[in-house]
Amino acid sequence: GAVVSQHPSWVICKSGTSVKIECRSLDFQATTMFWYRQFPKQSLMLMATSNEGSKATYEQGVEKDKFLINHASLTLSTLTVTSAHPEDSSFYICSASRTNEQFFGPGTRLTVL
Amino acid sequence: ILNVEQSPQSLHVQEGDSTNFTCSFPSSNFYALHWYRWETAKSPEALFVMTLNGDEKKKGRISATLNTKEGYSYLYIKGSQPEDSATYLCAFNEGSTLGRLYFGRGTQLTVWP
Repeated sequence: GAVVSQHPSWVICKSGTSVKIECRSLDFQATTMFWYRQFPKQSLMLMATSNEGSKATYEQGVEKDKFLINHASLTLSTLTVTSAHPEDSSFYICSASRTNEQFFGPGTRLTVL
Repeated sequence: ILNVEQSPQSLHVQEGDSTNFTCSFPSSNFYALHWYRWETAKSPEALFVMTLNGDEKKKGRISATLNTKEGYSYLYIKGSQPEDSATYLCAFNEGSTLGRLYFGRGTQLTVWP
């Protein structure tokens, strides 16, 4: 149990376009999901906390208008990178919380040309 | 931003060797310490959630200890096998509930047959 999927696993897009990443909890319901980002040789850094049915909470320095998060159901949260730029190229990974643990998806590698 | 340090950054051992890594974290406002095992192209797998000072947890050949007063945790692998090759992450959870996690950069373990 406690499987989280993420789609797509990798994406290449042109600068200025938007990209949507989906995070699904497959066998449990998650009131809270988290979105992290990892740059090369760095640690996973929390971008935002997504709560079902309410607005996401963004970490300091993360632009909420650029990284749109929607958590419309207890099994799905989406992250949309709007007007992507090369500096947004990174590894994005989500997690879903259940009891006292976070369960992670496999991540999405985004490359913006 | 809280500082979570892991050492060593990478480790190469021979099959059958025992090994251990360190995670250091702030000793104040502690809620939990999480260990994850992360293989390339897969989801990070939760190994342990540790909450009490002096906690020792074991899963097969892997065990972990926790010292919240001095802010460190050790992860031990006994009789390493090639399938243990992965990046081992620790994450500090502050406050009073499961929430945002502060990750270390990980220890990359390679076990040679």
